[in-house]
Amino acid sequence: NAGVTQTPKFRVLKTGQSMTLLCAQDMNHEYMYWYRQDPGMGLRLIHYSVGEGTTAKGEVPDGYNVSRLKKQNFLLGLESAAPSQTSVYFCASTLAAGGLGEQYFGPGTRLTVT
Amino acid sequence: RKEVEQDPGPFNVPEGATVAFNCTYSNSASQSFFWYRQDCRKEPKLLMSVYSSGNEDGRFTAQLNRASQYISLLIRDSKLSDSATYLCVVIFDSHTGGFKTIFGAGTRLFVKA
Repeated sequence: NAGVTQTPKFRVLKTGQSMTLLCAQDMNHEYMYWYRQDPGMGLRLIHYSVGEGTTAKGEVPDGYNVSRLKKQNFLLGLESAAPSQTSVYFCASTLAAGGLGEQYFGPGTRLTVT
Repeated sequence: RKEVEQDPGPFNVPEGATVAFNCTYSNSASQSFFWYRQDCRKEPKLLMSVYSSGNEDGRFTAQLNRASQYISLLIRDSKLSDSATYLCVVIFDSHTGGFKTIFGAGTRLFVKA
């Protein structure tokens, strides 16, 4: 049982490049989330999913797209990276109905955009 | 006003000390409350849930004050290993349906020998 995994762990992009971050969970959780964490700020929700085939916008969705084609995977895409997207990205999942319970986090992806 | 606010610290305490953090929230419809711990360059992990009746787990005690809209975390007999950032989490009904989870920016704790 690996829990929540994220790939890659680190990445450096140049402005305008694209990339996809992969999150996978093996706990059969319905809810999955993508957050970004910046110094001095709390985790901010980018997009989330309440089940396979569904996605919704969070607090800071601009510049990002997501897909949840399989229940266990949640992908975060950056179509044209900008320096403002330099951050640590965390994926999380939860089983609890309505997303009320404990969230399990992946180890994070450290992204630098130059 | 931020929906969830925490004193960023840092709190520098000696081993064995008792330390307390507060977290205030603005939405009176908030339903669930948690404290997470985050070590440097690691992911957040659940420390404990916060119930209306309070919650104690070993050296850690969490309390909820709905009237004043804050939650607290008390750590007794601090250990070096308690050094971390403590994140307050509040979940409330979203006006668009479902629930909204808000993380505080965290309070940094350093426990020194």
